Amino acid sequence: EADIYQTPRYLVIGTGKKITLECSQTMGHDKMYWYQQDPGMELHLIHYSYGVNSTEKGDLSSESTVSRIRTEHFPLTLESARPSHTSQYLCASSEWAGGGSYNEQFFGPGTRLTVL
Amino acid sequence: GQQVMQIPQYQHVQEGEDFTTYCNSSTTLSNIQWYKQRPGGHPVFLIQLVKSGEVKKQKRLTFQFGEAKKNSSLHITATQTTDVGTYFCADPNAGGTSYGKLTFGQGTILTVHP
Repeated sequence: EADIYQTPRYLVIGTGKKITLECSQTMGHDKMYWYQQDPGMELHLIHYSYGVNSTEKGDLSSESTVSRIRTEHFPLTLESARPSHTSQYLCASSEWAGGGSYNEQFFGPGTRLTVL
Repeated sequence: GQQVMQIPQYQHVQEGEDFTTYCNSSTTLSNIQWYKQRPGGHPVFLIQLVKSGEVKKQKRLTFQFGEAKKNSSLHITATQTTDVGTYFCADPNAGGTSYGKLTFGQGTILTVHP
């Protein structure tokens, strides 16, 4: 079983509030990712990191920001939450793979965010 | 950007029937991964296919990678209620980089009636 954790699991918050979604992994993986997923839909990559002090925006534009100060920790922050941010946010991590191959991603349980 | 198209969007079967979901890309894929997401859960890695024409089996699940590496399929034989969930294919070479960013297909939601 993968050791990747997300808190909180559920969050209901009012418009304009600042929130931080936590993601931690104990596997020592260098690569970490944030995905956004609406109910019944596919996952969209919003942020990724290849290591400490490395962060990049993903394919889906997002008003959120991320930081990677420690290998095991990859928090996502929304400075001012809006109803359009209501969604599920999934964190994932993976190891580097060489030779043009790719390793599997391990996903956390997700945070279901509702902005009123 | 490169997209991975997955069909069907929904599949309802009676327990014991077979199930297949298909994944297609307009460009050649280097690898393809498959994930399963149970209702209310998170995606869990099933398998990665790398070679042209590759076929891999996991108990009742059979995964295939097309000869041209532009399509893939997942076939479940004799479905069980535990197979319920959404099955996603994913391209780990999104954007043509070597960074392992996943581009997911739209997923196929499988329901199994007992």
